Amino acid sequence: AQKVTQAQTEISVVEKEDVTLDCVYETRDTTYYLFWYKQPPSGELVFLIRRNSFDEQNEISGRYSWNFQKSTSSFNFTITASQVVDSAVYFCALSGVNTGNQFYFGTGTSLTVIP
Amino acid sequence: KAGVTQTPRYLIKTRGQQVTLSCSPISGHRSVSWYQQTPGQGLQFLFEYFSETQRNKGNFPGRFSGRQFSNSRSEMNVSTLELGDSALYLCASSLATLAGGTDTQYFGPGTRLTVL
Repeated sequence: AQKVTQAQTEISVVEKEDVTLDCVYETRDTTYYLFWYKQPPSGELVFLIRRNSFDEQNEISGRYSWNFQKSTSSFNFTITASQVVDSAVYFCALSGVNTGNQFYFGTGTSLTVIP
Repeated sequence: KAGVTQTPRYLIKTRGQQVTLSCSPISGHRSVSWYQQTPGQGLQFLFEYFSETQRNKGNFPGRFSGRQFSNSRSEMNVSTLELGDSALYLCASSLATLAGGTDTQYFGPGTRLTVL
């Protein structure tokens, strides 16, 4: 079975602070894919990153970085120098090679950046 | 390239009615998936269509159905609406191939359905 856990329900930080959003996953597939999406108040899920299970290289994109560790089944997301525009709900998602395009989402982490 | 579009954006229905939601995928995307988002259950997969065929289905009752047209546009239908069907319904499209597998899904703005 596929499962994603985002234990942090809500996080508040002051602008310019760094923040890390945790994501822990469970899967029996040896090949799987992990994603992060951002959902602003408008409701649309915005794709941020995709990571394949065979590629553990961490990635940085501007103020965003992702730390993928298969040993701990985690795919954490860090925002450096947070800004008010980062306020949103962030979802981690998982899909397996045997489940095709069926994504399993975590419950999301609501991030509020206080000016 | 235009993104995924969904119509209508908002909908109010009463119990027992039926509703049809529409989704137009990104040009060139042949896979369309539907998700239900509620505060209590979060984001749950409804079904996926590829080349007019349902390829994958989540754990929802038969009142939830869908279809896909030859131009990849998709519709989702909910019959005999219940109060618990109130939710944000999100459509996503991807470049997933005939062979299956996973590809990045790009989501539309959603249709917010309220059942009274």
